[in-house]
Amino acid sequence: AQKVTQAQTEISVVEKEDVTLDCVYETRDTTYYLFWYKQPPSGELVFLIRRNSFDEQNEISGRYSWNFQKSTSSFNFTITASQVVDSAVYFCALTGSSASKIIFGSGTRLSIRP
Amino acid sequence: NAGVTQTPKFQVLKTGQSMTLQCAQDMNHEYMSWYRQDPGMGLRLIHYSVGAGITDQGEVPNGYNVSRSTTEDFPLRLLSAAPSQTSVYFCASSTGRVLGMGEKLFFGSGTQLSVL
Repeated sequence: AQKVTQAQTEISVVEKEDVTLDCVYETRDTTYYLFWYKQPPSGELVFLIRRNSFDEQNEISGRYSWNFQKSTSSFNFTITASQVVDSAVYFCALTGSSASKIIFGSGTRLSIRP
Repeated sequence: NAGVTQTPKFQVLKTGQSMTLQCAQDMNHEYMSWYRQDPGMGLRLIHYSVGAGITDQGEVPNGYNVSRSTTEDFPLRLLSAAPSQTSVYFCASSTGRVLGMGEKLFFGSGTQLSVL
């Protein structure tokens, strides 16, 4: 069975601090895809990044970076120099190579205080 | 530039009432799905469809029906609403018939449903 665990329910930091959101996954598939989605206060979920199981290179996009480690089944998300606009609920998700479903974690609510 | 459109945005029902949540996409996506979002539970899949005329159950299908008569529309029907169905509902679509190539989901803005 597939499973995604986001152990951090809520995180609150002061603006400009760095923050890491943890994601641990379980799957028996050898080919799979991991995702991060952002849900701002407006409510609509927005795709952030996708990573396949054969690509363990870290990804950096501006202040955002993602660290994928198959050895620890983790796909962590770091925001550098956080800003108030980063306040949102962030979901990690997983799908297998033959799947018709995406499995979501329970989400981490991130609050950035000015 | 509509993407995925959900209506209504808010709805209050009494126990036992029925209603249909509407979802339409204008991107010619084969795959469409319905999720419910509850505090601490993340997003749970209710039903999904890989094309017109094809639907299947997700993780929490009880109490909900779907149909897919066209590529564009994927309505979710609550036959007899219960307080346990109080939730935020999201419709999402994707380009592939399956999600095996890592296709991302495009989400609607959600429907907040309260069942009294």
